Amino acid sequence: NAGVTQTPKFQVLKTGQSMTLQCAQDMNHNSMYWYRQDPGMGLRLIYYSASEGTTDKGEVPNGYNVSRLNKREFSLRLESAAPSQTSVYFCASSEAGRSNQPQHFGDGTRLSIL
Amino acid sequence: DQQVKQNSPSLSVQEGRISILNCDYTNSMFDYFLWYKKYPAEGPTFLISISSIKDKNEDGRFTVFLNKSAKHLSLHIVPSQPGDSAVYFCAAHTGGFKTIFGAGTRLFVKA
Repeated sequence: NAGVTQTPKFQVLKTGQSMTLQCAQDMNHNSMYWYRQDPGMGLRLIYYSASEGTTDKGEVPNGYNVSRLNKREFSLRLESAAPSQTSVYFCASSEAGRSNQPQHFGDGTRLSIL
Repeated sequence: DQQVKQNSPSLSVQEGRISILNCDYTNSMFDYFLWYKKYPAEGPTFLISISSIKDKNEDGRFTVFLNKSAKHLSLHIVPSQPGDSAVYFCAAHTGGFKTIFGAGTRLFVKA
C-alpha cells in the first residue's frame, strides 16, 4: 500500500527558481492538503482541496499555488522560490475534510532555497 | 497566536513507565482533537483522537484525556516502549477543513 507519495524527497533551489512538488494518493480520498513544517512551528496549512475541482487557501498561502489535477493528485508550485520557503513540505489526504477522519501523510519533501 | 500549544519540547521516560504528553488550546470551538506520531524522515501518522463531547478515549496502551474547562488534553502511554520514541503532535479540528497543529513534543523512551 503506497498511501500518499511525494516527489521529490529532497531538492535544493536557488532564489528565484520555480519548482513543483508532486503528491499522489491511492486511497480514493476526497480531500488533500499541503503543509509546511518549520522548527518550533508544527505543521502549517498552505492550501487544501476539499474535493476534486476545488482548492482553498490555508494559513500560509503566500508564494504558493496549487493544482488538483484529478482525484489522486495535488501539486504545489513555488513560482519564484525565496529562502523563507526553506522547509519540509508534507502532503496529506483524508476521506472527507469535514468529517473527523484523520489525515494520511506522505514522507515529506525537504526543500532548501539558497 | 498559537491556538494549540505543546509547551514541552521534549520528554524523557524510562521504559515501562508512563509517558504523559500535554497540550493546551485556546479556541473553545474546536470539536475534535487528534494525536499524531512522527518518526524522523517520515510523515506523521494518526495515533488516537477524541471528540469534544467526551473526556476520555482509550486504544491499547494509548489514552487521551480531555478537560474542556481547562482547555487541556493529554496523551498517556502506558507502559512506554523504546519504539514509542518519536515526536508527538497534538492537533485540533475546527469543523471545517482546517486542522491546527501544535509544535510537537519529542519523546525519548530509555531502555
